[in-house]
Amino acid sequence: DVKVTQSSRYLVKRTGEKVFLECVQDMDHENMFWYRQDPGLGLRLIYFSYDVKMKEKGDIPEGYSVSREKKERFSLILESASTNQTSMYLCASRRSGSGYTFGSGTRLTVV
Amino acid sequence: AQSVSQHNHHVILSEAASLELGCNYSYGGTVNLFWYVQYPGQHLQLLLKYFSGDPLVKGIKGFEAEFIKSKFSFNLRKPSVQWSDTAEYFCAVTRPSGSARQLTFGSGTQLTVLP
Repeated sequence: DVKVTQSSRYLVKRTGEKVFLECVQDMDHENMFWYRQDPGLGLRLIYFSYDVKMKEKGDIPEGYSVSREKKERFSLILESASTNQTSMYLCASRRSGSGYTFGSGTRLTVV
Repeated sequence: AQSVSQHNHHVILSEAASLELGCNYSYGGTVNLFWYVQYPGQHLQLLLKYFSGDPLVKGIKGFEAEFIKSKFSFNLRKPSVQWSDTAEYFCAVTRPSGSARQLTFGSGTQLTVLP
């Protein structure tokens, strides 16, 4: 089975901190995605990447950046965390032509 | 803009009741459609998907969904729910633009099944 691993299940960070959320997949998928999940809003796409060093903005990229230096790893960066970025963050990967596999999520609290 | 609507935010049923969760999308072109489920404390799992062919799609755990193109709908159904079906259900649609085919999700429906 494809595994998408998010390095932290829970994180608590202070306002203004730089935060890195890491995601690793083990099946050589080209496409990787970062979503945030908020009650009543569902999942919203932050950024995605369809190849190494390639990135595209999703629906809500403001306040975030991403890095994809290696095919298996897709990092989400909060340059200066704010309380409105408290959320559940979900990483997903996909091979072109096939379905999505999601990680377990990282629940980030910014205080 | 592409959007996915799930009109029921919270559904409460008794065990053995029948379930239908609504999903409508706004995009008029070719779409791929999905239902995902998230059980309490767990990650998203794929229930079923529609790419083409028979519009009645059967998924895992007795769920099915029907794609009605004229209504832009992809409703999820189960004839008899169980307590273990308590979860949040998300409808999703791919936007066929670019190579990554990113998913757009609905806002989710929380299903609570009472024993």
